[in-house]
Amino acid sequence: DQQVKQNSPSLSVQEGRISILNCDYTNSMFDYFLWYKKYPAEGPTFLISISSIKDKNEDGRFTVFLNKSAKHLSLHIVPSQPGDSAVYFCAATMEYGNKLVFGAGTILRVKS
Amino acid sequence: DVKVTQSSRYLVKRTGEKVFLECVQDMDHENMFWYRQDPGLGLRLIYFSYDVKMKEKGDIPEGYSVSREKKERFSLILESASTNQTSMYLCAGSSGAAQPQHFGDGTRLSIL
Repeated sequence: DQQVKQNSPSLSVQEGRISILNCDYTNSMFDYFLWYKKYPAEGPTFLISISSIKDKNEDGRFTVFLNKSAKHLSLHIVPSQPGDSAVYFCAATMEYGNKLVFGAGTILRVKS
Repeated sequence: DVKVTQSSRYLVKRTGEKVFLECVQDMDHENMFWYRQDPGLGLRLIYFSYDVKMKEKGDIPEGYSVSREKKERFSLILESASTNQTSMYLCAGSSGAAQPQHFGDGTRLSIL
């Protein structure tokens, strides 16, 4: 049973527009969430995180929103750039836990 | 800058062989992890270690073992390789609970 779900396998966006990547989770014990970006032939790189005490965290062009009641988080990229084309993984953990649970990933393609 | 190094980028082995995947980190991190990445399944945790000589099973430990004799090195062992262990293997390290994990570039392992 997948505890972290990314229901969109892929997303295509025009350069300069907003990219919205979505993630749902089922385990109410999760209280810390992360987004990773992965290029082909490279390991995932940490992008941004959010604790359950917040509902928004922003870092430059990247903003993560958390809706605890819906067990849903989203990553917004504004404006999208061709270099953002990658696989994006959502991950979740408990604040005092060591293990991350990953979603299946969403392939983002930003067209120029 | 943090660095996690996996000894091989590509590896081809035969069914039944004992396979060693090596990972070294220079971050003095307590925690180290081994994942496999498969299409549509995201990253799945095989084993992790929170200290030298300590290990815990992840979600899919069957057919694998690990060794952590020194803090900076975490080895994944396929005791008797099988074709269903063909995958991308990713090593990661983190400084503690609910901290971002830093990944190596992965080893693409093919079992023939």
